[in-house]
Amino acid sequence: GESVGLHLPTLSVQEGDNSIINCAYSNSASDYFIWYKQESGKGPQFIIDIRSNMDKRQGQRVTVLLNKTVKHLSLQIAATQPGDSAVYFCAGGASGAGSYQLTFGKGTKLSVIP
Amino acid sequence: NAGVTQTPKFRILKIGQSMTLQCTQDMNHNYMYWYRQDPGMGLKLIYYSVGAGITDKGEVPNGYNVSRSTTEDFPLRLELAAPSQTSVYFCASTEFDTQYFGPGTRLTVL
Repeated sequence: GESVGLHLPTLSVQEGDNSIINCAYSNSASDYFIWYKQESGKGPQFIIDIRSNMDKRQGQRVTVLLNKTVKHLSLQIAATQPGDSAVYFCAGGASGAGSYQLTFGKGTKLSVIP
Repeated sequence: NAGVTQTPKFRILKIGQSMTLQCTQDMNHNYMYWYRQDPGMGLKLIYYSVGAGITDKGEVPNGYNVSRSTTEDFPLRLELAAPSQTSVYFCASTEFDTQYFGPGTRLTVL
């Protein structure tokens, strides 16, 4: 079955630096991936997604890179701000499954040092 | 749109008690999901629904039940609460792939 996991459980970065959060997946049938941000005491919030026919997608200050060859994706946050401090989850799904289920990794806690 | 709403926000149960966690979405999404999140862990799928009247088990369904009588509502029922069900519960909905989450219910079973 699918497993989605993160390489690092915690990440500390200086304010203004760029952050990179990594994620690996095992299910070759996964064809879309989503990054979520979860602040303390809140539900996961959508950040950005990417489909398997793309290898890069950019949003506001965030970029997701997908490497299907090694089943790896990453989230890059530019000019990290204190408000970016949160737990970040990657999730993967297979659109052919018909139920749009997602499998989540454990998360990486990002701490921004002012 | 309010999105996905959940009630209650917090609840403490005694072992053996029962309760229903409420979830409502106003986006007319067909797909709805219940997850639990244990400390320091990712989200595990309990049950999901692909439309009114249709539900199915996820990864960790034991000890829970669901129903889906309307598109908007997807309640989660705990019949005999156990300490192992202490967790934060999230409801989510989607129309295609990106799931949108409610704020969660923090449940403690003592």
